Amino acid sequence: NAGVTQTPKFQVLKTGQSMTLQCAQDMNHEYMSWYRQDPGMGLRLIHYSVGAGITDQGEVPNGYNVSRSTTEDFPLRLLSAAPSQTSVYFCASSFRTSGSTDTQYFGPGTRLTVL
Amino acid sequence: AQSVTQPDIHITVSEGASLELRCNYSYGATPYLFWYVQSPGQGLQLLLKYFSGDTLVQGIKGFEAEFKRSQSSFNLRKPSVHWSDAAEYFCAVGDAGNNRKLIWGLGTSLAVNP
Repeated sequence: NAGVTQTPKFQVLKTGQSMTLQCAQDMNHEYMSWYRQDPGMGLRLIHYSVGAGITDQGEVPNGYNVSRSTTEDFPLRLLSAAPSQTSVYFCASSFRTSGSTDTQYFGPGTRLTVL
Repeated sequence: AQSVTQPDIHITVSEGASLELRCNYSYGATPYLFWYVQSPGQGLQLLLKYFSGDTLVQGIKGFEAEFKRSQSSFNLRKPSVHWSDAAEYFCAVGDAGNNRKLIWGLGTSLAVNP
C-alpha cells in the first residue's frame, strides 16, 4: 500500500491564481480530511468527507472547495489564492466514517506559498 | 466545548533522559485520546491511543501514556529518549457523540541534546 499520497510537495502561486491539491489513499478508507498547519496554530480542519459524494466544512473552509467523487480521491481546490493561504496542507484518512474515534493516516504534506 | 491543552510549547532533554509530555483535555464523557508525532518535514504518525480499558497504554517507539480521569490528563512518557525522538508531538481528543473531527492540541516541540 502507498497509504495517503499528496501532490505536489511544494507549490508557489501568485495571488488570485487557482490550483488543486491532490490527495489519494489506497486503503479503502471512508473518512478523508484536509488540514492546514501554521506555526503556533496547530492543525486546523478545512473540509472533511465521510464517503463518496459526502463532504462537509471544518473550522476554516473559506476559500477552499472539495469534492469526493470516488472513495480514493479527495482533492482540495483553492479558488483564488491569497497570501493568508500560505501554509502546509495535510490530507488524512481513516477507515471508518468517524473522524474522531479512529486512527488518522496522514499524507506527507504540501507546502504552499502564495505571493 | 471540548479543548486540548499542551502546556509546554518546547522541551529540551538530553539523550538518555526520561521524558514526559503533558496533555490536558476538557470533555464531559470518556474521550478517545491520541498522541501523534510529526518528524521534521513529515506528516503525522500515530504513537498510541486510548479508548477504554487499561489506563496505561503502550505505543510505538517505546512510548507510553496514562489516562487519568481525575486529572483530565493523558501524558506521554518515555523512559530513555533517543536523538531520533526529536519531533513535534500532538495530543488529540475525540468523542463518539461528535464523530466528525478531532480536537487537536497546539503541539510540543521536543529537542534532544547529545
